[in-house]
Amino acid sequence: RKEVEQDPGPFNVPEGATVAFNCTYSNSASQSFFWYRQDCRKEPKLLMSVYSSGNEDGRFTAQLNRASQYISLLIRDSKLSDSATYLCVVNTKGGNNRKLIWGLGTSLAVNP
Amino acid sequence: EPEVTQTPSHQVTQMGQEVILRCVPISNHLYFYWYRQILGQKVEFLVSFYNNEISEKSEIFDDQFSVERPDGSNFTLKIRSTKLEDSAMYFCASSDRLEFRFFGPGTRLTVL
Repeated sequence: RKEVEQDPGPFNVPEGATVAFNCTYSNSASQSFFWYRQDCRKEPKLLMSVYSSGNEDGRFTAQLNRASQYISLLIRDSKLSDSATYLCVVNTKGGNNRKLIWGLGTSLAVNP
Repeated sequence: EPEVTQTPSHQVTQMGQEVILRCVPISNHLYFYWYRQILGQKVEFLVSFYNNEISEKSEIFDDQFSVERPDGSNFTLKIRSTKLEDSAMYFCASSDRLEFRFFGPGTRLTVL
């Protein structure tokens, strides 16, 4: 099993649709989780951290399921500008020695 | 808003040549990183730097690679003798907390 695994997509959705991505991780001791967004040939940008209780930021909702070892990202009312690759990032170590493992990303295309 | 900057944006070099990629991290950040992303592949960790020394490095970061913080603002990645497979986007990142990463726009390195 890969350390961090994502469905590469692409997900093609119309404007206004709701879309959800999942990301599975293999290390049950993983401590923290993040979603980054990466536009084509640009740098990754932090979208949101994922907390145990789940968190919401506007149209974006992130959730963590420790039992099944996956995190999810839900985008409501998708906009054209949401088109990007969404990277799942998992911290695989605890303490001060943090190692972030990056998923390959899920590509989203929002169509007019 | 403070940001990480990188120069050059694109570097073309011949195989076997040395290259130096430059980064200016966000000024009050203490942790510095280099990542690379080969086209179409995932973001890969190279090295982390804290308190003027390497805190962690990956298997990719072999003897051909070195990092320096020559003054209070710059953070450089040197590749001594470039190979074709070194062609990638190289991202510098900095953070004030261990979990987060703020990325620069990247340097596209092309080795011919």
